[in-house]
Amino acid sequence: NAGVMQNPRHLVRRRGQEARLRCSPMKGHSHVYWYRQLPEEGLKFMVYLQKENIIDESGMPKERFSAEFPKEGPSILRIQQVVRGDSAAYFCASSPLAGEGSETQYFGPGTRLLVL
Amino acid sequence: AQTVTQSQPEMSVQEAETVTLSCTYDTSESDYYLFWYKQPPSRQMILVIRQEAYKQQNATENRFSVNFQKAAKSFSLKISDSQLGDAAMYFCAYRRQGAQKLVFGQGTRLTINP
Repeated sequence: NAGVMQNPRHLVRRRGQEARLRCSPMKGHSHVYWYRQLPEEGLKFMVYLQKENIIDESGMPKERFSAEFPKEGPSILRIQQVVRGDSAAYFCASSPLAGEGSETQYFGPGTRLLVL
Repeated sequence: AQTVTQSQPEMSVQEAETVTLSCTYDTSESDYYLFWYKQPPSRQMILVIRQEAYKQQNATENRFSVNFQKAAKSFSLKISDSQLGDAAMYFCAYRRQGAQKLVFGQGTRLTINP
């Protein structure tokens, strides 16, 4: 049973470029969450999505950041016109809709974004 | 807003001994979940243990156990018979019942001395 998958694992971008981070949830999971971890800090919630719906984006910066979870395919976190301050580890997590384990989020390995 | 505080930035323990990592949280809710996640050098976030606030019994997973004090809003993690593979950052996290986002503490870096 494959866990949460994220790609790429490492991403290098120059200032002003776009970054696209992908997340495939665990099989049977319909909830996806994105978190950001700055160096030497804990994870900070960004956005929570279900298929084709953004449920809570209270942690997303208002500009340049967007997320989607289409009916088919992985969830995408998109950062436009990246700046050096966007350099961080971005983690995706997933959970099932209901039942045993629905309160627990299972994390992917993260994508390390470095902006030059 | 809920907050989670881990007051120990770093801890160290001798291999085979026991160590306790502390975590306190602030909430006005009565129904919630608490978690400990481990982040080894690989940076993967691994669930260690979880506790439902409505359960009085402390959760246990093999060498890992918690001391959940609801009135004191305290949720410490005890690691018994520490092993070299336990070396990692440990994060305490809170999730309110009915909400989806996890609120994380700042983390405690645990070093195991051989």
